[in-house]
Amino acid sequence: EAAVTQSPRNKVAVTGGKVTLSCNQTNNHNNMYWYRQDTGHGLRLIHYSYGAGSTEKGDIPDGYKASRPSQENFSLILELATPSQTSVYFCASGEGHYAEQFFGPGTRLTVL
Amino acid sequence: TQTVSQSDAHVTVFEGDSVELRCNYSYGGSIYLSWYIQHHGHGLQFLLKYYSGNPVVQGVNGFEAEFSKSDSSFHLRKASVHWSDSAVYFCAVSAPGATNAYKVIFGKGTHLHVLP
Repeated sequence: EAAVTQSPRNKVAVTGGKVTLSCNQTNNHNNMYWYRQDTGHGLRLIHYSYGAGSTEKGDIPDGYKASRPSQENFSLILELATPSQTSVYFCASGEGHYAEQFFGPGTRLTVL
Repeated sequence: TQTVSQSDAHVTVFEGDSVELRCNYSYGGSIYLSWYIQHHGHGLQFLLKYYSGNPVVQGVNGFEAEFSKSDSSFHLRKASVHWSDSAVYFCAVSAPGATNAYKVIFGKGTHLHVLP
């Protein structure tokens, strides 16, 4: 069965610290995505990737970097975390532009 | 630029009732539409999608949605809801061939509450 996993599931970070959120997919999908979910905003796209070695900016990339070292792994990096980045982060994978996306369980990040 | 609007933040019904969750979009060309469900504490799960053909599409667990070009809508329906259908439902759009066709735009979600 297709699966997207995320780690950690919960994270508390301090302002100014570096945070790395990891995502792994066993779907062999080319496309991977990072979203954040906030009350009143729905899901907003941060970064996405078409394949290993590629990363593209989404709608709200400021303050975030992404890394896609392999087909299976896609990381989201907060170099200098701020309280405004407190949110729930979801990773997803998909094949083709219009196919359904498969989501991970989410990571709850709190920046103090 | 395509947008998607879900006018109802919350919908409350009793178990066994029918329900319709509304979704309206704005885009001038062909459009790809889908619905996702999110149970509390989990990621989103795909329910159904539409691109062309029969405007009524069937999804899992008795859900269906109807596309209307004239109304720019893609409403989700279920004839008889179960308590386990309580969740947040997201409508999503993507436009083939457009500059941003690589990504899916999600609505803000409708929280469905099913009472016993």
